[in-house]
Amino acid sequence: DVKVTQSSRYLVKRTGEKVFLECVQDMDHENMFWYRQDPGLGLRLIYFSYDVKMKEKGDIPEGYSVSREKKERFSLILESASTNQTSMYLCASSLPPDRGRLKAEQYFGPGTRLTVT
Amino acid sequence: QKEVEQNSGPLSVPEGAIASLNCTYSDRGSQSFFWYRQYSGKSPELIMFIYSNGDKEDGRFTAQLNKASQYVSLLIRDSQPSDSATYLCAVNTGNQFYFGTGTSLTVIP
Repeated sequence: DVKVTQSSRYLVKRTGEKVFLECVQDMDHENMFWYRQDPGLGLRLIYFSYDVKMKEKGDIPEGYSVSREKKERFSLILESASTNQTSMYLCASSLPPDRGRLKAEQYFGPGTRLTVT
Repeated sequence: QKEVEQNSGPLSVPEGAIASLNCTYSDRGSQSFFWYRQYSGKSPELIMFIYSNGDKEDGRFTAQLNKASQYVSLLIRDSQPSDSATYLCAVNTGNQFYFGTGTSLTVIP
């Protein structure tokens, strides 16, 4: 059974605080992703990583950074939280696409609802 | 132009009817196509994936892919009130996944 876990379901932080969101997967997936989801805007990719210590910017990386020191763990860091970063944060993982297998299903963690006051 | 487009709905169907959800995508190089169900306040749950043109059936769900027309659809037969959720279409290109904004489905008892 696939499993992606996130460190917190709900989090309340103050403006200017440094915030760490942790994500762990136990499926030995190479690729990991951080999204935020806001009403009317859908899922927006913040960062993704296709290997340990590798990262790529997504559509909205400003104000965020990431860390991937181990294959199973992908952390999202809000350097100085702001109220416009109040959102649902979703972590996901997947295998890379493979021509023979074509299996690239992506699985999500339960999400962290972050409120910045 | 957005990578993936869906009709946001809301779509309402009576219990027992067929619900039809549609999605179009812009990148002809897209390789894999997915449907996720998301209940309010929960994370997306993968319910179907399809890689080849044609139909793929899994229980009450059928995914249909037409690469020439660049659309993918999801049919839900014998719709149940528990199917009421937002359905997200996603497309995989290389290492990235692109999501539509979702279609809200309500199944009326």
